[in-house]
Amino acid sequence: AQSVAQPEDQVNVAEGNPLTVKCTYSVSGNPYLFWYVQYPNRGLQFLLKYITGDNLVKGSYGFEAEFNKSQTSFHLKKPSALVSDSALYFCAVRPRGTGGFKTIFGAGTRLFVKA
Amino acid sequence: DAGVTQSPTHLIKTRGQQVTLRCSPISGHKSVSWYQQVLGQGPQFIFQYYEKEERGRGNFPDRFSARQFPNYSSELNVNALLLGDSALYLCASSAHRGLAGGPSTDTQYFGPGTRLTVL
Repeated sequence: AQSVAQPEDQVNVAEGNPLTVKCTYSVSGNPYLFWYVQYPNRGLQFLLKYITGDNLVKGSYGFEAEFNKSQTSFHLKKPSALVSDSALYFCAVRPRGTGGFKTIFGAGTRLFVKA
Repeated sequence: DAGVTQSPTHLIKTRGQQVTLRCSPISGHKSVSWYQQVLGQGPQFIFQYYEKEERGRGNFPDRFSARQFPNYSSELNVNALLLGDSALYLCASSAHRGLAGGPSTDTQYFGPGTRLTVL
């Protein structure tokens, strides 16, 4: 079965430190990969996506993600965390060949950035 | 520019009732998708509509239905509500469907959601 795993329910980091939110997937072929962020009582906001090309993708608010095909991973990173980055982060995968927008989401990782 | 809008914001229903949720996509976007997000989980794909036709359906029972109107807005209907239908229902819009029938690389933009509580 196709799935997306975010192995950490919660990540704690001090402000100014680098952060990593992990994501691995089990999807055949070369899927499209996405990261979204969700603030309380809000919908999902798009951060970045990997379609093809360079394995390091840069996105909004200083976030970037590294695609690793052999490890089927797409980890989200930021060099210096801000308190305002505290939110719920979702990794999502869109399998190729589905002919539409059937995107599979992970369960989410809550990021806490301490001042 | 206005983003994706959804109404109502919150809704409380009882078991067995029917509910209609509404979504207006970003201007110029022709595709609308619906997702269900149960507390503590990631969003689950329900439907995708493009140019007023259903293009994709997730693993949801027939109690769930949707439609898209000529102005590309959309409604999600859920009949015979169950307690387990309590969730945040998200609508997402994007400009295009996939090229040559393949999955789109377009970004989906999400609305704020409708919080449905079934008592």
